[in-house]
Order: sequence, then structure tokens, then C-alpha cells
Amino acid sequence: GAVVSQHPSRVICKSGTSVKIECRSLDFQATTMFWYRQFPKQSLMLMATSNEGSKATYEQGVEKDKFLINHASLTLSTLTVTSAHPEDSSFYICSARRAGVTDTQYFGPGTRLTVL
Amino acid sequence: GESVGLHLPTLSVQEGDNSIINCAYSNSASDYFIWYKQESGKGPQFIIDIRSNMDKRQGQRVTVLLNKTVKHLSLQIAATQPGDSAVYFCAESNSNSGYALNFGKGTSLLVTP
Repeated sequence: GAVVSQHPSRVICKSGTSVKIECRSLDFQATTMFWYRQFPKQSLMLMATSNEGSKATYEQGVEKDKFLINHASLTLSTLTVTSAHPEDSSFYICSARRAGVTDTQYFGPGTRLTVL
Repeated sequence: GESVGLHLPTLSVQEGDNSIINCAYSNSASDYFIWYKQESGKGPQFIIDIRSNMDKRQGQRVTVLLNKTVKHLSLQIAATQPGDSAVYFCAESNSNSGYALNFGKGTSLLVTP
């Protein structure tokens, strides 16, 4: 149990376009989902915390108007990278926290975004 | 801000040997610690966790040790196998931050035959 999926796994887009990444908890309800970004050979950096039915909380330095997060249901959160630029190219990873559990996070497989 | 760091960026061990990966943290409020394994191009995979009311926890071939006095965490892998080759991250969280994870820099483990 506790499987988290992401779609797409890889995406290549042109500079200036927007890209949507989906994060789904497949076999549990997730009241909280987290979005991370990981550059090559670096650690995971938390971008934002997404609670179902409310606005996401963004970490310092993360532009909320550029990285739009929607957590519309207990099993789905989306991250939209708007007006993508080459410097947005990265590995985006989501995680989900099971409803009623305060600490354990289950990670998705990641989405590789390449902006040309 | 508070930081979680690893002592060694790379570790090379021979197959069959034991591996020890270390991690230091600085947030005295940290009360939950997790080790993750990440293979290239994949998301982090949970290995083992430990709460601050414990100092040792064992899993299958893995042991996590927590020393709160010196704010140090270690992951021991017994009889290391080629499939253990990956990057290992420690992460800490606490109730004050809503259990958001703060990841360390990572240690690359390479297992040679």
C-alpha cells in the first residue's frame, strides 16, 4: 500500500509554455502533499506544501505565481510550471502524507522536466 | 536556518562488507528522522525511520542509530550488495514545521564486486 504516482514521467517543452504535473495517491487518501525540486547531484528542496481544499504554502524563494499548485481532492495534487524557462529544468518529485498520519511521507517516482 | 548535513559525499565499499553512512543535524527540535535511498532517475525510497525517543532501530539488513546528544544519525547496511548502490539521504522533521522534511545533501554509495 501507500503508492504515489506522477504523470508524466518525462516532459520536454519549449520556453514560454506551461507544463502540468500530476501527483496521485493510488491507494490512500492524502490530506497533505508536498512538492520538491531536485537539481542534478543535489538534494531535494521543498517547494511547497499542499493541503486538500486550501491554498498551498510556498517555501521562501519559490514563486507562487510561477509554480501553481492545486490540491482539489484527497488523491490528486497538480503542479503547473507557468511560462517555463530553461532554468526550470529539473526533477520534480511529489510526496503524500496519509490522512490521520502526521509524519510519514510516501514519494512519487518523479517527473523530469526539460525546457528548451 | 537549521541544516541537515552528511559527512561524506561518496562511499565506496566492497560487496559483502558493511556500510556506514553518517548524518549530522542541527535542529534540536527534530523528533523524527528518516533514511531514503534514491536510484538514478527515481524518487526516494523509504528505508527506515526512527523517532527521538529511541536510539536504535533495526530493519532487514539495516540499522539506524540516533545520538541526540551530538545530533548525529547513522545508517548501517549489513552485507552490502551491488543493488545497494544508490544515493542515500537522511531527512529530519519535527512537529513545529508540520513534519515537513528537511533533507541532507546525500551520500553516494558505490558497491564494488
